[in-house]
Amino acid sequence: GAVVSQHPSWVICKSGTSVKIECRSLDFQATTMFWYRQFPKQSLMLMATSNEGSKATYEQGVEKDKFLINHASLTLSTLTVTSAHPEDSSFYICSARRDNRVWLEAFFGQGTRLTVV
Amino acid sequence: DAKTTQPTSMDCAEGRAANLPCNHSTISGNEYVYWYRQIHSQGPQYIIHGLKNNETNEMASLIITEDRKSSTLILPHATLRDTAVYYCIVRAENTGTASKLTFGTGTRLQVTL
Repeated sequence: GAVVSQHPSWVICKSGTSVKIECRSLDFQATTMFWYRQFPKQSLMLMATSNEGSKATYEQGVEKDKFLINHASLTLSTLTVTSAHPEDSSFYICSARRDNRVWLEAFFGQGTRLTVV
Repeated sequence: DAKTTQPTSMDCAEGRAANLPCNHSTISGNEYVYWYRQIHSQGPQYIIHGLKNNETNEMASLIITEDRKSSTLILPHATLRDTAVYYCIVRAENTGTASKLTFGTGTRLQVTL
């Protein structure tokens, strides 16, 4: 099956620093990728839709200048949490939609646990 | 997208069938029913999807009522590794960039010995 890989799996950073999370589709092309955030005991919340070669589309309430998304190729999207604060600590998950498929087929990465201290 | 309603939690004995219900009474004619699950601290995993016919794959079976207002995901022989949160999602098939999945609260399935 199709594989989506996230890196790193977990990261601890100091408050005020920036953290970059990578999302790669390993064996398929993905024009569209999605970034989610999940707080403990809560469901996944969509943050933004990442489109290859164009600007990301952010969900209401998500600060685009704080969560920078770059989708430079058909297999890689990155999420950078800028000036991270403890309240940004969360589980970040990406998903990739395989191109040229008839039905809505989304594959998810294993997630990145961010802890800001 | 149509809203879904699932029980918050369910228990199932290992080896028995786990039947997870989902109500989607406002589903539209072009909307599919998708099931994903999320094992603790992992990304969601696709299980199965369907439009109106019952579907079966190596992981599970999906039973959709004739009026399509509800469905049931069946894990025929649950194992401890099936302990997870199961999400029922209703979404129109869309090949555009707006083809995002919206997750509800899901059902926390606990499989026990």
